[in-house]
Amino acid sequence: QSVLTQPPSVSAAPGQKVTISCSGSSSNIGNNYVSWYQQLPGTAPKLLIYDNNKRPSGIPDRFSGSKSGTSATLGITGLQTGDEADYYCGTWDSSLNWVFGGGTKLTVL
Amino acid sequence: EVQLVESGGGLVQPGRSLRLSCTASGFTFGDYAMSWVRQAPGKGLEWVGFIRSKAYGGTTEYAASVKGRFTISRDDSKSIAYLQMNSLKTEDTAVYYCTRDQGDYYGSGRSYYFDYWGQGTLVTVSS
Repeated sequence: QSVLTQPPSVSAAPGQKVTISCSGSSSNIGNNYVSWYQQLPGTAPKLLIYDNNKRPSGIPDRFSGSKSGTSATLGITGLQTGDEADYYCGTWDSSLNWVFGGGTKLTVL
Repeated sequence: EVQLVESGGGLVQPGRSLRLSCTASGFTFGDYAMSWVRQAPGKGLEWVGFIRSKAYGGTTEYAASVKGRFTISRDDSKSIAYLQMNSLKTEDTAVYYCTRDQGDYYGSGRSYYFDYWGQGTLVTVSS
């Protein structure tokens, strides 16, 4: 049972948009910044979004992040088959130090 | 180019010990906190612990699941972070990743994230 709640799976067609939610509490998301990680099959995770909505160099602007209250959202537009991956949110927690969401598997139909 | 390379994984019996290494290159290792994150087969990511840079005391924090059994240390002269794992349990079986950490405090909260990851090393705890 993860401290941060993500949907186990989401799916959409190529070219469409999808959002992935991450729900927490005031001890984590509500008072800290959220980051998102993409894990392609068989590879190590990679930083996708940090500080709620900032993209590291090299991450296309099809990926976006937002935060409101105790929830955060990852958005992906113009879906490509190469976006099929597991996506994890994470943030600092006042009691637990660092926490990850349970992960969301994205399927591009 | 930032690179993190984990090593030391393998098969170990329950109750035994194992030490993982994370060799860094491409950045000034001593300036950064480093974390270990693990992923059990078919499961999600679990933060294991981190070590602060010497500038922030070089202190450590751990997840409750490993506290008292695992120890993170660092050798800045060699650009290596270590994860000493004692009293291993079957549930410690996972791929272990090391990460370079970025962190700061802002008025609206704490920013902390893992900007680079190694490729991981598999630890299997089994009799």
